[in-house]
Amino acid sequence: QKEVEQDPGPLSVPEGAIVSLNCTYSNSAFQYFMWYRQYSRKGPELLMYTYSSGNKEDGRFTAQVDKSSKYISLFIRDSQPSDSATYLCAMSANFGNEKLTFGTGTRLTIIP
Amino acid sequence: GAVVSQHPSWVICKSGTSVKIECRSLDFQATTMFWYRQFPKQSLMLMATSNEGSKATYEQGVEKDKFLINHASLTLSTLTVTSAHPEDSSFYICSASRYRDTVQETQYFGPGTRLLVL
Repeated sequence: QKEVEQDPGPLSVPEGAIVSLNCTYSNSAFQYFMWYRQYSRKGPELLMYTYSSGNKEDGRFTAQVDKSSKYISLFIRDSQPSDSATYLCAMSANFGNEKLTFGTGTRLTIIP
Repeated sequence: GAVVSQHPSWVICKSGTSVKIECRSLDFQATTMFWYRQFPKQSLMLMATSNEGSKATYEQGVEKDKFLINHASLTLSTLTVTSAHPEDSSFYICSASRYRDTVQETQYFGPGTRLLVL
């Protein structure tokens, strides 16, 4: 069993829809949870990070962590074609100079 | 701020040759740098972690004699793929983390280097 599971998709939604992306994990030591966006042939770009359980909002993006269920989510409101990318969840026990464990990524396409 | 660059962005080489990839933190000093590898439609897999001035720590299954890492300064780390073979063809991505106001920040990723070994 992988430490982090993420549905690879692909996921296609119409422009303006709310997108829900999810990951589950098995390692209870994970305390920091990140979401990265990766465009084709580019490096990952950090979108949001959350410590422990709870919600965090940044513009159209909301990250949720439920440590009791070992489940994290990223919601994108008012989705735009420019949001089309692969979204990777990542986790670590400590912040910064600590190994990140990534999900496989979900490929998202927003249809105009 | 927190920009990480990689050079080259892509490279094609013959089997048996060595290839060096550079990773630079452009506007900050990176206490730690990481090297990842990503195969098509797969996630990033950590290869090694390096701290300035010390030997890199390799993940299980990664050959340290094949993937040489040198973290010579707080802004530069290099990955050399020695005696490259076609199965080494992949997307290599580095990341760097820093201290800011005594707090260790998360990793910032470079744009990646695509390696094709013929």
